[in-house]
Formats: sequence, C-alpha cells, structure tokens
Amino acid sequence: DGGITQSPKYLFRKEGQNVTLSCEQNLNHDAMYWYRQDPGQGLRLIYYSQIVNDFQKGDIAEGYSVSREKKESFPLTVTSAQKNPTAFYLCASSPGHNQPQHFGDGTRLSIL
Amino acid sequence: EDKVVQSPLSLVVHEGDTVTLNCSYEVTNFRSLLWYKQEKKAPTFLFMLTSSGIEKKSGRLSSILDKKELSSILNITATQTGDSAIYLCAAYRDDKIIFGKGTRLHILP
Repeated sequence: DGGITQSPKYLFRKEGQNVTLSCEQNLNHDAMYWYRQDPGQGLRLIYYSQIVNDFQKGDIAEGYSVSREKKESFPLTVTSAQKNPTAFYLCASSPGHNQPQHFGDGTRLSIL
Repeated sequence: EDKVVQSPLSLVVHEGDTVTLNCSYEVTNFRSLLWYKQEKKAPTFLFMLTSSGIEKKSGRLSSILDKKELSSILNITATQTGDSAIYLCAAYRDDKIIFGKGTRLHILP
C-alpha cells in the first residue's frame, strides 16, 4: 500500500544531542513537509520541500535542519540548538503545492 | 501576519446532534482551504475548497467556502461517537500552507 512512514514512533533526546526523524513516502509525491504539534497549538510548519534538492524554511525552522536528496525521503534533524524539542512531529507529502497533503503517523519526541 | 482561526476551540455535544465548525482566514495570495480530521495520530483529508459558495459533501459531512467573508464552515449532521476528533482547517497561499489550532469535538453517547 502507498503511504508515508515515519520512524521511530517514540524518541528520547539527551541534552546536547542531535536526533534525526525519518520520513519516507512511496506515493511519488513531489512535495514534502514537516510539522510540529504541541497541545492547543495546531500544526506549525518547520520546513517544506517542493522538489528534490530544494527546501524552504517554514514558520519555526530555528533549531531544525532537513535534507531532500531523494524524492522519497525527507529526514528532519532536531539539533541541540532547539531548546524545547518535546512535541509530536508530523511529516506529510502532496503531489504538488496547493494539493491535499497525506500525513504519516508521527514521531513523539521527549527530553531525557 | 497571515493567520487561520478556528472556533470554537472545543465542543461537546450528544450523539445525534448537528454541529457547525468555523474557520476564518487572513492569508495573502489565498489559493484554497482544506479540512482534516485527526483522531489519534495522522490527520486525514476531508475537503479542499477553492470556489466560493459551492458545497462539498461526503456522507454526513459537508463544507462550504465564503471568499467574501474569508471563512468556511464544516457541518456534521446526526453525529456519532466516531466523529470525536480534532478538526483542523488550513489555508494554502502561494508558497506555503497555514494551519489553525483545531476544534476538539467530543460526542457523548
């Protein structure tokens, strides 16, 4: 079945550590997105990519980094510069801009 | 600053009731408005609206866009406990998408 796979489902980060969240899609979609969801905050856009080898900052990019070397993959690194990383992270993809997005099941990141 | 505002933030009704969820937007270069349902993890797509005044319908759910009022509503008739979820509204502009904070709907049996 086509879809979006996020891993791991749960992740713990130590102080000063970088962690990487995986997002893979087999829908042949050009566009991919990363969101952060905090209680009562809805979805906030971290980074997005409309095509391979290109990506743009969203509204809350500080402390995060991404790469888009392959169409299927859009990993997110939460760096030590992100001082409040505890949140639910959602990855999404769409055929292109201004089209419905399909979401993965998310990764819940916590601080040790 | 662009924004999408949903109301109410939380709603509790009894099974069988009809509910109306609201979404207003202030977005430069607006392209479309989308509704999603989020039960536990992944939001699932409900509707995408681009034209004003044209109702989209799927079973007991329907939605309409009013570009003059910069708003949209999502109606759910004859609610069931399975409709309990967070309903998210989002607006696409030229370069990115902006989500509202969501409406948490709880249906009492």
